[in-house]
Amino acid sequence: KQEVTQIPAALSVPEGENLVLNCSFTDSAIYNLQWFRQDPGKGLTSLLLIQSSQREQTSGRLNASLDKSSGRSTLYIAASQPGDSATYLCAVTDQGGSEKLVFGKGTKLTVNP
Amino acid sequence: ETGVTQSPTHLIKTRGQQVTLRCSSQSGHNTVSWYQQALGQGPQFIFQYYREEENGRGNFPPRFSGLQFPNYSSELNVNALELDDSALYLCASSLIGHLNTEAFFGQGTRLTVV
Repeated sequence: KQEVTQIPAALSVPEGENLVLNCSFTDSAIYNLQWFRQDPGKGLTSLLLIQSSQREQTSGRLNASLDKSSGRSTLYIAASQPGDSATYLCAVTDQGGSEKLVFGKGTKLTVNP
Repeated sequence: ETGVTQSPTHLIKTRGQQVTLRCSSQSGHNTVSWYQQALGQGPQFIFQYYREEENGRGNFPPRFSGLQFPNYSSELNVNALELDDSALYLCASSLIGHLNTEAFFGQGTRLTVV
């Protein structure tokens, strides 16, 4: 059974700092990995999608890496801003039939002005 | 804007009642998945519909059921509501069979069972 873990559960940083969020998964048989952002009480916004054959993806100040063999991904946020404050969720698309997403519990990020 | 819309946005129901939540998927997508997100937790997979058939189910009882229509919109029905069903229900649309199976989510329906 696929399990996804995100560390840390919460992170508070001053504005301008570079930071890394971590995600690990137990079964390397995945199609892809997605990072999402969730604002309080809202739906999920897709940030980056990394296919299982890829090593990293970049979008603006965000860079996500994937090491499938070790079951790890990182989300790097450069020059953090208060508007980056949100919960960041990592999810893998399982190969087990229905291509469902298996999520971690998220990392709650607070960027202080 | 993802193009995935859910209705209603908020709902309050009494224990034992039934509820129907609706989702319109993104244009061009053939698959709808439903997730339940309890407070402080990651979303949990309920089930997925592909070409109007259930295509996988998570660890949820049969009182959670669904439908997908020819236009790929979908409904989630929950019977005999329990207090623990209070959660944010998320709908995601995607394109199965395509290499880049990125999932796009709606804004969610907040269900409160009292």
